[in-house]
Amino acid sequence: SYELTQPPSVSVSPGQTARITCSGDALPKQYAYWYQQKPGQAPVLVIYKDSERPSGIPERFSGSSSGTTVTLTISGVQAEDEADYYCQSADSSGIVVFGGGTKLTVL
Amino acid sequence: QVQLVESGGGLVKPGGSLRLSCAASGFTFSDYYMSWIRQAPGKGLEWVSYISSSGSTIYYADSVKGRFTISRDNAKNSLYLQMNSLRAEDTAVYYCARVINSNDSSGYILYWYFDLWGRGTLVTVSS
Repeated sequence: SYELTQPPSVSVSPGQTARITCSGDALPKQYAYWYQQKPGQAPVLVIYKDSERPSGIPERFSGSSSGTTVTLTISGVQAEDEADYYCQSADSSGIVVFGGGTKLTVL
Repeated sequence: QVQLVESGGGLVKPGGSLRLSCAASGFTFSDYYMSWIRQAPGKGLEWVSYISSSGSTIYYADSVKGRFTISRDNAKNSLYLQMNSLRAEDTAVYYCARVINSNDSSGYILYWYFDLWGRGTLVTVSS
């Protein structure tokens, strides 16, 4: 299997733009997905197939991909966006890999 | 209401066994692959296992292979995880999750992600 690498933490002030990256050799061949997890809660899917947003997820959440790096962007960050964010992908047989997670702090 | 509800967690001694259950409701359970994912205290997410909609295809993470067994009962809308030879490092919250996936004609994965998660059940392995 392979690895996905995320920064351990990202900090932004309310109203600013937060960018969380995820790097992995297989990402040019496989989609990436992003989950938001708040303390004591289950993860919630916020981006699928690199850049698609599920219904009910605010428009300020967006995703992009370039080569071996995918990026989750949160525009106009709000206090409620403070959470851990995990990227995820899968290899060709369905073996799932998660990134180590990024703690987003809203200052 | 579309939901997944896990049960069966608890405190078990090293070397012991535990069986987790996940009850699905609000959707056609038999149409979906299902998976177990765990999270050790203060740590990140770790995929554990998945099972195809019919139960014919099963995969495990290397960390649990040979010790854990995933199964499902489509008539009961339920997913299970039998955990044997438990170790301290198996201590975690265990989530069941619904898989959204697609393969091409040769079986190559086109996409694979989790769109519905349960709230999790805590398994503690300690003497």
